[in-house]
Amino acid sequence: AQTVTQSQPEMSVQEAETVTLSCTYDTSENNYYLFWYKQPPSRQMILVIRQEAYKQQNATENRFSVNFQKAAKSFSLKISDSQLGDTAMYFCAFMNADSDMNRDDKIIFGKGTRLHILP
Amino acid sequence: AAGVIQSPRHLIKEKRETATLKCYPIPRHDTVYWYQQGPGQDPQFLISFYEKMQSDKGSIPDRFSAQQFSDYHSELNMSSLELGDSALYFCASSPQGNVGYSPLHFGNGTRLTVT
Repeated sequence: AQTVTQSQPEMSVQEAETVTLSCTYDTSENNYYLFWYKQPPSRQMILVIRQEAYKQQNATENRFSVNFQKAAKSFSLKISDSQLGDTAMYFCAFMNADSDMNRDDKIIFGKGTRLHILP
Repeated sequence: AAGVIQSPRHLIKEKRETATLKCYPIPRHDTVYWYQQGPGQDPQFLISFYEKMQSDKGSIPDRFSAQQFSDYHSELNMSSLELGDSALYFCASSPQGNVGYSPLHFGNGTRLTVT
């Protein structure tokens, strides 16, 4: 079974700083997707960034980028120039990509990291 | 753009009562997922449907049942409610076989409080 581990329950950084959230996962699959979801106080689940395991290039979305280390099964999220609106819970998530017949395509979430951006 | 619609937004029930949560996926999405998120917890997968058939099952109690209808909306039925069922219930949808390019789209959730 796949597992996702986020070892930082809570973090605080000053506005405009750069912060890195850690995530490791365990799987025997070779083809999968990794995600970072943001959950602000409104409790919505918002996709921040997505990475396909077969792609070596790290995904980037504006101020958000990942450091994907497939061999180490590590998928960290870097937020540059952090803003007050980045304050939220961040979930790292895994999804098996080879799910044609068994439909094992549910997303598995880590426990989350609560990020506080301080003014 | 249309999003995943969940109703109701908030629901208060007493122990041993029944609740029904509804989810309307994004148009042309044929796969629906249900997640339960307890206070301070990560979302836990309950059940999913593809083309009106159950496709995967997670930690869903026997007191809960769900189905997907011909218009692809889904309902989660919860009976004999317990205090521990108080949680935020998310529905998510995706087009089949395309999840890597169009990841799960989550609704805003239904907050269920059992008193």
